[in-house]
Amino acid sequence: EIVLTQSPGTLSLSPGERATLSCRASQSVSSNNLAWYQQKPGQAPRLLIYGASSRATGIPDRFSGSGSGTDFTLTISRLEPEDFAVYYCQQYSTSARTFGGGTKVEIK
Amino acid sequence: EVQVLESGGNLVQPGGSLRLSCVASGFTFSSYAMSWVRQAPGKGLELASAISGSGTSTYYRESVKGRFTISRDNSKNTVYLQMNSLRAEDTATYYCATIAPSGDFHDWGQGTLVTVSS
Repeated sequence: EIVLTQSPGTLSLSPGERATLSCRASQSVSSNNLAWYQQKPGQAPRLLIYGASSRATGIPDRFSGSGSGTDFTLTISRLEPEDFAVYYCQQYSTSARTFGGGTKVEIK
Repeated sequence: EVQVLESGGNLVQPGGSLRLSCVASGFTFSSYAMSWVRQAPGKGLELASAISGSGTSTYYRESVKGRFTISRDNSKNTVYLQMNSLRAEDTATYYCATIAPSGDFHDWGQGTLVTVSS
């Protein structure tokens, strides 16, 4: 099973600032089969990024994904009030799809 | 527009059984694998089970093997999760999600809460 470790656990930032979230895999994620999801309190997760860097339909371009192999990054270029949430990375390189533990982006 | 709607969550005693249902619309249901992703209160996400579009291939996480059974009825655009021998650690919100051809969890329902407690 591929273990995904997200850092930091919590990111305290102000609106307008840049957010950089990290996701590290215990082994290489083949074909960049990595996705990012956003989850707000009381809501279901929402797909943001798939294939490590492709934005899902309707996702603003302030969200971008990068990385390959074992190291991946989600960047939010300028935080909007609605971006404060928990973010999860997830690999689908194997049938045992796994999620990272999440990074909470909170208002400073 | 894709819609995914779960039902069947409830309070159940340890050792009991429950069947979750997920009805989907807005896409060719039989062409897509489907999944049940769960989230314990205040915790992260984990894949509980998944099933291929035809229903011939399934996946279960280790902790639910032998207790949970996933199935689908493509004529009803519905996927099911039969949960037996429930334990306190199965307490979670269970989300139904489509699995895109690219492999990610593309569309999600709002979830149904399963509470296992005496």
